[in-house]
Parts: sequence; C-alpha cells; structure tokens
Amino acid sequence: SYELTQPPSVSVSPGQTASITCSGDELGNKYVCWYQQKPGQSPVLVIYQDTKRPSGIPERFSGSNSGNTATLTISGTQAMDEADYYCQAWDISTAEFGGGTKLTVL
Amino acid sequence: EVQLLESGGGLVQPGGSLRLSCAASGFTFSSYAMTWVRQAPGKGLEWVSAISGSGGSTYYADSVKGRFTISRDNSKNTLNLQMNSLRAEDTALYYCAKTLGTGESDYWGQGTLVSVSS
Repeated sequence: SYELTQPPSVSVSPGQTASITCSGDELGNKYVCWYQQKPGQSPVLVIYQDTKRPSGIPERFSGSNSGNTATLTISGTQAMDEADYYCQAWDISTAEFGGGTKLTVL
Repeated sequence: EVQLLESGGGLVQPGGSLRLSCAASGFTFSSYAMTWVRQAPGKGLEWVSAISGSGGSTYYADSVKGRFTISRDNSKNTLNLQMNSLRAEDTALYYCAKTLGTGESDYWGQGTLVSVSS
C-alpha cells in the first residue's frame, strides 16, 4: 500500500516560519491536501490540491508539492496554530494519511 | 450550513457487528462523495472507506476490505457503514466527511466512538 511519511514533531517560535513535510513515492504526481486537528476537535482542511486554501483559512498557510515531497508552510506562526497536521493523498483507489506531525509553538 | 451527525457507535464484542450512520444536511448530498475516517485513541487519522455521490463506486482500506460495507441513501441524505467481524484494532472514533472531486474532505462530523472489547 502507498505510504506517506511525516516527521512526528516540529517546533517553531512565534512569528517564525514552520515547515512540515510529507513524503511519498512520486507524490508530486498526486494531489495532496492538509488537515489541522486540535485536541478534542475534528480535522479542518487547511490546504487542498497542493496549494489552495479553503475559504476562511488564513493566508499564512501555504502548500507546495514536487517530486516526492509535499510541504505545508505556516508563515508568521501563531500560538493558535499549535496542533497536529496530517497530509493526505489518493493512490489509485485508496486514500492514505500521513502519520501526522505535532506542531509545537514555543 | 453543512452539518454531519454520526450515530451508531458503542461497545461491541470481538466478532460482532455494528452499523454507523451519518445524517447530512446543508448541501446537495447526492452531488458529493462521502468518506469514513477513523482515529484510534491517541493515534493518527486512518482513511477507512469512501463512496461516490451516486453510490455506484465504493473504495476500502485493505484493513477493512471484506468486513466493512459503505452505502448511502440519497433520498434520506444518509451515509452508512456496516461493520462486521469487528476486531479490537477497529476501536476508534469514526468520522464521516463530505468529500470533493480531488479527494479532500472539506466538512467533518464530530465522530462516533466504537469500542471493540470483551
């Protein structure tokens, strides 16, 4: 089955840029989306089709996808961005999530 | 306003069955694929199953293939997940989600908890 790999944790200082990667075989040929999940809450879509932001998602969230790696970038990270982040992609007839990355804003 | 309300979770013994439902409102239900995603306690998200808007196409994770069946009733705006031969590792919070054409899910319910234990 297709696998997506994320770092378990990323730390960032407030106001700095956080980058969370998601790796998979030829991932650049697939659409990747990203979800944010805070404790006790349902996931929220923050990036879809590699680079697009849903309505209501702040501009500081951006995405890219090329080669074998997709990246979620949060510019000017705020304390409210502390959460778990998951990438997702479809491979033929199944979807996969990455293992998730816990973003800590120190 | 899009709303998704899951129900049907509970405690079941290994080998037992459970049927989850998701009541949808606030959008044209039959126009969208729907997805079930689960999350074991303290763990990450796991994609379980998806179904096209018409119900004519269904997709399953290898971990549930042959045991779970996804279905939908577009006349009642309801998504279902029939779960048979349940195992301890199926214990999780099960979410239903409205899914767009390129596979992303833009609205999620609050989830229903399934516990498989003797």
